[in-house]
Amino acid sequence: GAVVSQHPSRVICKSGTSVKIECRSLDFQATTMFWYRQFPKQSLMLMATSNEGSKATYEQGVEKDKFLINHASLTLSTLTVTSAHPEDSSFYICSAQGSYGYTFGSGTRLTVV
Amino acid sequence: AQSVTQLGSHVSVSEGALVLLRCNYSSSVPPYLFWYVQYPNQGLQLLLKYTSAATLVKGINGFEAEFKKSETSFHLTKPSAHMSDAAEYFCAVSDGSGGTSYGKLTFGQGTILTVHP
Repeated sequence: GAVVSQHPSRVICKSGTSVKIECRSLDFQATTMFWYRQFPKQSLMLMATSNEGSKATYEQGVEKDKFLINHASLTLSTLTVTSAHPEDSSFYICSAQGSYGYTFGSGTRLTVV
Repeated sequence: AQSVTQLGSHVSVSEGALVLLRCNYSSSVPPYLFWYVQYPNQGLQLLLKYTSAATLVKGINGFEAEFKKSETSFHLTKPSAHMSDAAEYFCAVSDGSGGTSYGKLTFGQGTILTVHP
């Protein structure tokens, strides 16, 4: 079946530094990649949608300069949290859309100290 | 615009009992509907999906859901709960943009299922 590999699973970084999260579709081509954020005991909130080779579309209220998304190939998308602050601490999940639906990564727990 | 409402943030059942997790949706176009399960600190796993074919959809692990257009509902059921079913469950709707594109997913608030021995 379709697999999306998301790394790292956990990361702790200092306030002001940047963190990159990668999502790779291992056995299919992801035409579209979605990035979500999930706060404790809450649902998933869509942050942005990216299509291979084009700029990401951000949801209202999401700072595009802070959450940089790159979707350079049909199998790789990255989310970079720039100048991270403690309020950016959250669980980030990617979802790749292939020909038969969505496949989710296993998530990245980001803690900014 | 589309939205999903999951009735009950917490559901508790005994092992072997019926599981019923409720989901109502709102969509301006014929929807695609999904149920996902999430275990702690993990991503989402698809249980089942409705994409305008049969209204009764069978999924993995003995779960099924019935699409009822008149009630705008897509409730998830399982005849007999197992301890391993304890997790958080999310109902989601997409606008099914057509072709191979499922569009954006909008998630419900989630329901935490607890299974007692």
